Amino acid sequence: DTAVSQTPKYLVTQMGNDKSIKCEQNLGHDTMYWYKQDSKKFLKIMFSYNNKELIINETVPNRFSPKSPDKAHLNLHINSLELGDSAVYFCASSQFGLENIQYFGAGTRLSVL
Amino acid sequence: AQSVSQHNHHVILSEAASLELGCNYSYGGTVNLFWYVQYPGQHLQLLLKYFSGDPLVKGIKGFEAEFIKSKFSFNLRKPSVQWSDTAEYFCAVNAVGANNLFFGTGTRLTVIP
Repeated sequence: DTAVSQTPKYLVTQMGNDKSIKCEQNLGHDTMYWYKQDSKKFLKIMFSYNNKELIINETVPNRFSPKSPDKAHLNLHINSLELGDSAVYFCASSQFGLENIQYFGAGTRLSVL
Repeated sequence: AQSVSQHNHHVILSEAASLELGCNYSYGGTVNLFWYVQYPGQHLQLLLKYFSGDPLVKGIKGFEAEFIKSKFSFNLRKPSVQWSDTAEYFCAVNAVGANNLFFGTGTRLTVIP
């Protein structure tokens, strides 16, 4: 069983559309994250939820809205997609604590045309 | 805030050569340190981690890293690389007890058979 799973793996869409990416973890972790990896492979955190509560919200356009229906799920909804949103989005999870080892999903490659 | 520098952007080695990838971080407090590997088209996988204790840590696939506190460094090493080590390597750091994981810009390793 995949520990952190994201769907879809690939997403190709037109500018201006709204799309969602789903993430689920079966590790029993209480914290989940969304990262964006740009074309230069730089990884930057976008959001983090702990027990369904938003705890990290980096400087991200408000077109991006995370939603955590429960501890095992963290979805990312993006409104009015722009060309610059093209990237690979990674979901991760961890158990909050001193060590905080994060486990990553396989990524969603978003291409905005 | 923490930051992570990986000075080598692209390293090309022949099989059996020794590897050392540099990683420096900036943060005045106690940190956890990680190396992640991303094989082509795959998700990030934890290679090794340092929390405390022996500054020389061993990870999977023959990799090791040494934490030198005075130099704020956590360099990754492998005595003899294989073609299958071709991947992107990311150093990451977080303050102990914090959720934010800060990544370096990554080093692409290409191993020539």
